[in-house]
Amino acid sequence: AQSVSQHNHHVILSEAASLELGCNYSYGGTVNLFWYVQYPGQHLQLLLKYFSGDPLVKGIKGFEAEFIKSKFSFNLRKPSVQWSDTAEYFCAVNGGKLIFGQGTTLQVKP
Amino acid sequence: GAVVSQHPSRVICKSGTSVKIECRSLDFQATTMFWYRQFPKQSLMLMATSNEGSKATYEQGVEKDKFLINHASLTLSTLTVTSAHPEDSSFYICSARDAGTSLYEQFFGPGTRLTVL
Repeated sequence: AQSVSQHNHHVILSEAASLELGCNYSYGGTVNLFWYVQYPGQHLQLLLKYFSGDPLVKGIKGFEAEFIKSKFSFNLRKPSVQWSDTAEYFCAVNGGKLIFGQGTTLQVKP
Repeated sequence: GAVVSQHPSRVICKSGTSVKIECRSLDFQATTMFWYRQFPKQSLMLMATSNEGSKATYEQGVEKDKFLINHASLTLSTLTVTSAHPEDSSFYICSARDAGTSLYEQFFGPGTRLTVL
């Protein structure tokens, strides 16, 4: 069965700090990988996605993620966070159905 | 493009009543729509998958007689919560897949917050 695990449940950073959120998945076949963001009171938005090709994927708002097949990982990174990045972040894997990780709450202090 | 709307955005109802939530794809045809449930501070859990013109497929543990899903057209799916109870209070989110673009990407609606008193 598919599963997705996000290692960090709650992350607190100061502005300009670098961010890395871990995501590991369990699935034996070909997967499509996503990171979504949910700002307070808003709906889910797609940050970036990986289907195939270059394992380093660039998304919106300066986010990027790297797919490492051997580690079943798809970690999200941003070199310098801003206060406006405060939100809930979800990793999701689609190997037939879209399964979400538990989510990571990111709090950026101004 | 790829906009999904939901209506209503918030609904409060009394225990025992039924509530209908609409999910519409505004600028594409969605052969498949999905319904998720999100509890506070938790992740999205897939409830069911609906394909236009056929019966919905429910995830394990989801009562199909309680959560009625209808996908009668390529742009509209409805979720009806029947005989609602306070424990049904949650955030319900739909998504739609544009089969003409990608089989793997879903576009999400803004969600409907249901409160059952």
